[in-house]
Amino acid sequence: EIVLTQSPATLSLSPGERATLSCRASQSVSSYLAWYQQKPGQAPRLLIYDASNRATGIPARFSGSGSGTDFTLTISSLEPEDFAVYYCQQRSNWPPGTFGQGTKLEIK
Amino acid sequence: EVQLVESGGGLVQPGRSLRLSCAASGFTFDDYAMHWVRQAPGKGLEWVSGISWNSGSIGYADSVKGRFTISRDNAKNSLYLQMNSLRAEDTALYYCAKDMFPYITMIVVAWGQGTLVTVSS
Repeated sequence: EIVLTQSPATLSLSPGERATLSCRASQSVSSYLAWYQQKPGQAPRLLIYDASNRATGIPARFSGSGSGTDFTLTISSLEPEDFAVYYCQQRSNWPPGTFGQGTKLEIK
Repeated sequence: EVQLVESGGGLVQPGRSLRLSCAASGFTFDDYAMHWVRQAPGKGLEWVSGISWNSGSIGYADSVKGRFTISRDNAKNSLYLQMNSLRAEDTALYYCAKDMFPYITMIVVAWGQGTLVTVSS
Protein backbone atom coordinates (compact mmCIF):
# COMPACT_ATOMS: atom_id res chain seq x y z
CA GLU A 1 0.00 0.00 0.00
CA ILE A 2 1.27 3.44 -0.90
CA VAL A 3 1.80 5.73 2.09
CA LEU A 4 1.43 9.49 1.73
CA THR A 5 3.29 11.72 4.18
CA GLN A 6 2.26 15.35 4.44
CA SER A 7 4.39 18.12 5.87
CA PRO A 8 4.31 20.14 7.90
CA ALA A 9 1.63 18.81 10.23
CA THR A 10 0.69 22.39 11.10
CA LEU A 11 1.49 25.57 9.20
CA SER A 12 0.96 28.95 10.83
CA LEU A 13 0.71 31.87 8.43
CA SER A 14 -1.03 35.22 8.10
CA PRO A 15 -3.58 36.31 5.48
CA GLY A 16 -1.82 37.53 2.37
CA GLU A 17 1.15 35.20 2.81
CA ARG A 18 2.09 32.34 0.51
CA ALA A 19 1.46 28.80 1.72
CA THR A 20 3.41 25.77 0.53
CA LEU A 21 2.16 22.32 1.57
CA SER A 22 4.03 19.12 0.78
CA CYS A 23 2.94 15.54 0.12
CA ARG A 24 5.44 12.73 -0.37
CA ALA A 25 4.52 9.25 -1.60
CA SER A 26 6.30 6.06 -0.52
CA GLN A 27 6.52 5.08 -4.19
CA SER A 28 5.76 6.77 -7.47
CA VAL A 29 2.13 7.69 -8.08
CA SER A 30 2.93 9.34 -11.42
CA SER A 31 0.67 12.41 -11.54
CA TYR A 32 -2.28 10.68 -9.89
CA LEU A 33 -2.49 12.91 -6.85
CA ALA A 34 -5.33 15.10 -5.60
CA TRP A 35 -5.68 17.75 -2.91
CA TYR A 36 -8.76 18.32 -0.75
CA GLN A 37 -9.66 21.07 1.68
CA GLN A 38 -11.72 20.43 4.80
CA LYS A 39 -13.07 23.10 7.11
CA PRO A 40 -14.34 22.27 10.62
CA GLY A 41 -17.75 20.62 10.56
CA GLN A 42 -17.79 20.41 6.76
CA ALA A 43 -17.22 17.74 4.18
CA PRO A 44 -13.98 17.84 2.19
CA ARG A 45 -13.80 19.73 -1.10
CA LEU A 46 -11.74 18.79 -4.13
CA LEU A 47 -9.19 21.46 -5.01
CA ILE A 48 -6.69 19.86 -7.38
CA TYR A 49 -6.66 16.55 -9.25
CA ASP A 50 -3.95 14.77 -11.18
CA ALA A 51 -1.30 16.94 -9.54
CA SER A 52 -2.03 20.25 -11.23
CA ASN A 53 -5.61 20.45 -12.52
CA ARG A 54 -7.85 22.82 -10.61
CA ALA A 55 -11.33 21.49 -9.91
CA THR A 56 -14.40 23.39 -11.02
CA GLY A 57 -14.88 26.66 -9.16
CA ILE A 58 -11.52 26.62 -7.38
CA PRO A 59 -9.80 30.03 -7.29
CA ALA A 60 -6.60 30.54 -9.25
CA ARG A 61 -4.62 31.22 -6.06
CA PHE A 62 -4.61 27.44 -5.54
CA SER A 63 -2.08 25.55 -7.62
CA GLY A 64 -0.56 22.09 -7.55
CA SER A 65 2.70 20.73 -8.86
CA GLY A 66 4.87 17.64 -8.78
CA SER A 67 5.07 14.12 -10.12
CA GLY A 68 6.41 10.77 -9.03
CA THR A 69 6.80 10.97 -5.26
CA ASP A 70 6.93 14.68 -4.41
CA PHE A 71 4.01 17.05 -4.68
CA THR A 72 3.21 20.59 -3.59
CA LEU A 73 0.04 22.55 -3.04
CA THR A 74 0.62 26.29 -3.18
CA ILE A 75 -1.79 29.01 -2.10
CA SER A 76 -0.35 32.19 -3.55
CA SER A 77 -1.94 34.70 -1.18
CA LEU A 78 -3.94 33.40 1.76
CA GLU A 79 -7.52 34.52 2.22
CA PRO A 80 -9.23 34.17 5.63
CA GLU A 81 -11.40 31.34 4.27
CA ASP A 82 -8.33 29.27 3.31
CA PHE A 83 -7.47 28.30 6.87
CA ALA A 84 -8.45 24.66 7.05
CA VAL A 85 -7.03 21.14 6.92
CA TYR A 86 -5.62 19.95 3.60
CA TYR A 87 -5.34 16.32 2.52
CA CYS A 88 -3.55 14.76 -0.42
CA GLN A 89 -4.81 11.50 -1.97
CA GLN A 90 -3.29 9.13 -4.47
CA ARG A 91 -5.18 7.12 -7.07
CA SER A 92 -2.27 5.47 -8.82
CA ASN A 93 -2.58 2.18 -6.99
CA TRP A 94 -6.06 1.33 -5.77
CA PRO A 95 -7.70 -0.04 -3.89
CA PRO A 96 -7.24 1.82 -1.70
CA GLY A 97 -7.09 5.44 -2.69
CA THR A 98 -4.97 6.40 0.27
CA PHE A 99 -5.02 9.82 1.89
CA GLY A 100 -2.25 11.62 3.66
CA GLN A 101 -2.65 12.44 7.35
CA GLY A 102 -3.40 16.10 6.65
CA THR A 103 -1.81 19.51 7.12
CA LYS A 104 -3.58 22.03 9.30
CA LEU A 105 -3.21 25.56 8.00
CA GLU A 106 -3.85 27.93 10.88
CA ILE A 107 -3.88 31.68 11.30
CA LYS A 108 -0.70 33.07 12.85
CA GLU B 1 -26.98 21.26 -7.66
CA VAL B 2 -25.48 17.94 -6.60
CA GLN B 3 -26.97 16.62 -3.36
CA LEU B 4 -25.89 13.52 -1.50
CA VAL B 5 -27.82 12.70 1.64
CA GLU B 6 -26.66 9.85 3.84
CA SER B 7 -28.79 8.00 6.34
CA GLY B 8 -28.73 4.85 8.43
CA GLY B 9 -26.01 5.67 10.93
CA GLY B 10 -26.37 5.20 14.65
CA LEU B 11 -25.13 3.38 17.71
CA VAL B 12 -24.55 -0.35 17.23
CA GLN B 13 -22.92 -3.05 19.31
CA PRO B 14 -19.71 -4.74 18.19
CA GLY B 15 -20.38 -7.68 15.91
CA ARG B 16 -23.72 -6.34 14.73
CA SER B 17 -24.72 -5.00 11.30
CA LEU B 18 -25.82 -1.69 9.86
CA ARG B 19 -26.86 -0.54 6.41
CA LEU B 20 -26.08 2.94 5.21
CA SER B 21 -27.95 4.61 2.38
CA CYS B 22 -27.19 7.63 0.22
CA ALA B 23 -29.87 9.43 -1.77
CA ALA B 24 -28.45 11.29 -4.76
CA SER B 25 -30.02 14.14 -6.68
CA GLY B 26 -29.07 17.01 -8.95
CA PHE B 27 -27.14 14.86 -11.43
CA THR B 28 -27.57 11.76 -13.58
CA PHE B 29 -26.73 9.15 -10.97
CA ASP B 30 -25.99 6.26 -13.32
CA ASP B 31 -23.40 8.35 -15.18
CA TYR B 32 -20.96 8.29 -12.26
CA ALA B 33 -19.01 5.99 -10.00
CA MET B 34 -19.65 6.43 -6.30
CA HIS B 35 -17.69 5.96 -3.09
CA TRP B 36 -17.89 5.70 0.66
CA VAL B 37 -15.19 7.55 2.60
CA ARG B 38 -15.02 7.64 6.39
CA GLN B 39 -13.47 9.84 9.03
CA ALA B 40 -12.97 8.70 12.61
CA PRO B 41 -13.57 11.41 15.22
CA GLY B 42 -10.72 13.91 15.12
CA LYS B 43 -8.84 11.86 12.53
CA GLY B 44 -8.10 11.94 8.81
CA LEU B 45 -9.92 10.57 5.79
CA GLU B 46 -10.05 6.89 4.85
CA TRP B 47 -11.44 5.62 1.56
CA VAL B 48 -13.73 2.65 2.29
CA SER B 49 -15.22 1.44 -0.97
CA GLY B 50 -16.08 2.44 -4.52
CA ILE B 51 -18.43 1.21 -7.25
CA SER B 52 -18.56 1.99 -10.94
CA TRP B 53 -21.66 3.28 -12.70
CA ASN B 54 -22.92 -0.18 -13.63
CA SER B 55 -21.58 -2.03 -10.57
CA GLY B 56 -19.12 -3.80 -12.85
CA SER B 57 -16.10 -2.61 -10.89
CA ILE B 58 -16.01 -2.61 -7.09
CA GLY B 59 -13.18 -2.05 -4.63
CA TYR B 60 -12.72 -2.15 -0.87
CA ALA B 61 -10.12 -1.04 1.62
CA ASP B 62 -8.36 -3.97 3.27
CA SER B 63 -9.75 -2.86 6.63
CA VAL B 64 -13.33 -3.62 5.54
CA LYS B 65 -12.91 -6.31 2.89
CA GLY B 66 -15.09 -9.32 3.60
CA ARG B 67 -17.24 -7.39 6.09
CA PHE B 68 -18.66 -4.49 4.07
CA THR B 69 -20.58 -4.65 0.79
CA ILE B 70 -21.21 -1.67 -1.47
CA SER B 71 -24.13 -1.62 -3.89
CA ARG B 72 -26.22 0.80 -5.88
CA ASP B 73 -29.71 1.01 -7.33
CA ASN B 74 -29.62 3.31 -10.33
CA ALA B 75 -33.42 3.23 -10.66
CA LYS B 76 -33.65 4.70 -7.16
CA ASN B 77 -30.63 7.03 -7.43
CA SER B 78 -29.26 5.38 -4.31
CA LEU B 79 -25.98 4.05 -2.97
CA TYR B 80 -25.70 1.60 -0.11
CA LEU B 81 -23.12 0.20 2.28
CA GLN B 82 -23.94 -3.00 4.13
CA MET B 83 -21.67 -3.22 7.16
CA ASN B 84 -21.41 -6.54 8.98
CA SER B 85 -19.29 -7.71 11.92
CA LEU B 86 -18.79 -4.13 13.04
CA ARG B 87 -15.82 -3.26 15.22
CA ALA B 88 -15.01 -0.34 17.48
CA GLU B 89 -12.51 0.88 14.90
CA ASP B 90 -15.33 1.29 12.37
CA THR B 91 -16.63 4.21 14.43
CA ALA B 92 -16.59 7.18 12.07
CA LEU B 93 -18.52 9.69 10.04
CA TYR B 94 -19.31 7.97 6.75
CA TYR B 95 -19.43 10.16 3.66
CA CYS B 96 -21.16 9.29 0.41
CA ALA B 97 -19.12 10.72 -2.46
CA LYS B 98 -19.36 11.14 -6.23
CA ASP B 99 -16.56 10.33 -8.65
CA MET B 100 -15.65 12.50 -11.60
CA PHE B 101 -16.28 9.70 -14.12
CA PRO B 102 -18.51 6.63 -14.68
CA TYR B 103 -15.65 4.29 -13.86
CA ILE B 104 -13.72 4.44 -10.58
CA THR B 105 -11.01 7.09 -10.77
CA MET B 106 -10.89 8.09 -7.08
CA ILE B 107 -11.30 11.75 -8.07
CA VAL B 108 -14.06 12.70 -5.65
CA VAL B 109 -15.90 15.79 -6.84
CA ALA B 110 -18.82 15.92 -4.41
CA TRP B 111 -19.49 14.80 -0.86
CA GLY B 112 -22.49 14.43 1.37
CA GLN B 113 -22.54 15.71 4.93
CA GLY B 114 -22.01 12.25 6.38
CA THR B 115 -23.78 9.88 8.72
CA LEU B 116 -22.21 8.93 12.05
CA VAL B 117 -21.67 5.30 12.95
CA THR B 118 -20.71 4.51 16.52
CA VAL B 119 -19.74 0.95 17.42
CA SER B 120 -19.82 0.45 21.15
CA SER B 121 -21.25 -1.88 23.75
